[in-house]
Parts: sequence; structure tokens; C-alpha cells
Amino acid sequence: QLQLQESGPGLVKPSETLSLTCTVSGGSISSSSYYWGWIRQPPGKGLEWIGSIYYSGSTYYNPSLKSRVTISVDTSKNQFSLKLSSVTAADTAVYYCARHQVGVVTAISGAFDIWGQGTMVTVSS
Amino acid sequence: SYELTQPPSVSVSPGQTARITCSGDALPKQYAYWYQQKPGQAPVLVIYKDSERPSGIPERFSGSSSGTTVTLTISGVQAEDEADYYCQSADSSGTHVVFGGGTKLTVL
Repeated sequence: QLQLQESGPGLVKPSETLSLTCTVSGGSISSSSYYWGWIRQPPGKGLEWIGSIYYSGSTYYNPSLKSRVTISVDTSKNQFSLKLSSVTAADTAVYYCARHQVGVVTAISGAFDIWGQGTMVTVSS
Repeated sequence: SYELTQPPSVSVSPGQTARITCSGDALPKQYAYWYQQKPGQAPVLVIYKDSERPSGIPERFSGSSSGTTVTLTISGVQAEDEADYYCQSADSSGTHVVFGGGTKLTVL
């Protein structure tokens, strides 16, 4: 059974870079049927898509975050990672990684069918 | 930027039918997906491609689409269905993913 697990610091200082890794177990990240995505949820608020990556390295990003976000993949470790630079308190959130089905209409128009448990990241000095 | 619009809250009595809508201009072109999220838990996919139900999701959950609006219907609502529900789709270009603002379902 495929599982995803987020890992990384729970506390990041303002202006620094948030770095998280998602480890995929029970299946290969190199499947042609899936992208791999990051989604976040500020406390008490809704879900926000950050971006998604294919095992080949092809990426799509939320335009509102694109200038600060880098998502990368390491197929040898079955992991993908998120870097968000110049963070502020507004970036405080639970960060989820998820398996993102390749869409029928376009590459990333599919569903997030398996999610990690999420990790809380607080931006504070 | 593209938005999906959901009502903030819906309330129903146990055994009744709950309907949660999601509106967006690109929905005639893009499939919609629905997630259930209970407090402190990750979202769970309950409907995909407008109206398909993943294995393990109760039959009381169904989805439909009409023009620029998609609807999640929960028939015979149970207390355990109380949760936040989010729709998700893509913009007209299909290169950006969007979530609706979420709807809190309260079972009275």
C-alpha cells in the first residue's frame, strides 16, 4: 500500500527558506501515471496547491508562489522535495504531499488520490 | 486568477440529503474532484471525474455536473459525515490546480 511521509523542520525563521521532503513507500515515484504534489493549509483556512512534479522533473507551480517555490525529485531515493524561499508568517501552515493522478484533459488536471499525514511548519523568529 | 466558489457552510439533519455546490467558469471543460477533511486529518478523495466514487467510499456520496456548477450530494447523512468538503479542478488552460474555499457540513 502506497504511503507518503513529509519530513523537515517544524520551525523556520522569517526570510529564510522552508525545506520539506516527501518520502514515497510501497510504490515507485517513477510511475508514468502520476505527478507528485505539494498542498498547504494555513491554520483554520482552506487548501492551497503549491505545485506538482513528474518523475522526469517536469513541474507546474501555483502562479502566486512561483517566484519563491522550487520542487525537485530524487528517483533514486523515491523522494520529492519542496523549497519555499523568503518565508513570512503567512507561510505558516500544514504542508501536505500527495500523489497527483495524471489528468484526462491535461497533465495535472487529475485528482490527489493519496495524501501524507501533513507536517506543521511555523514561521517565527 | 481562477476561482472555485463553494458555500461556506451547509447544515442538515441526520438522514436528510446534503448538497454542496462548487462553481467555476472552467468546469464545463475540466473535471472536478471532491475531498472530505475531518479535524486534524488529511483530506480524503470522495469523488473523482465529477461523479466517480473511489473504492471504499460509501454509496451515499455522489457527484454531478451541470454547466459551470458541480454538486456533491450526500444521501442519508450520518453524524460521521460532519466535515469540511473541498472541490478541486484545473483552470481553463489545465496548467494550474485550484481548490474551492471549502464547505463546512454540520449534521444537526
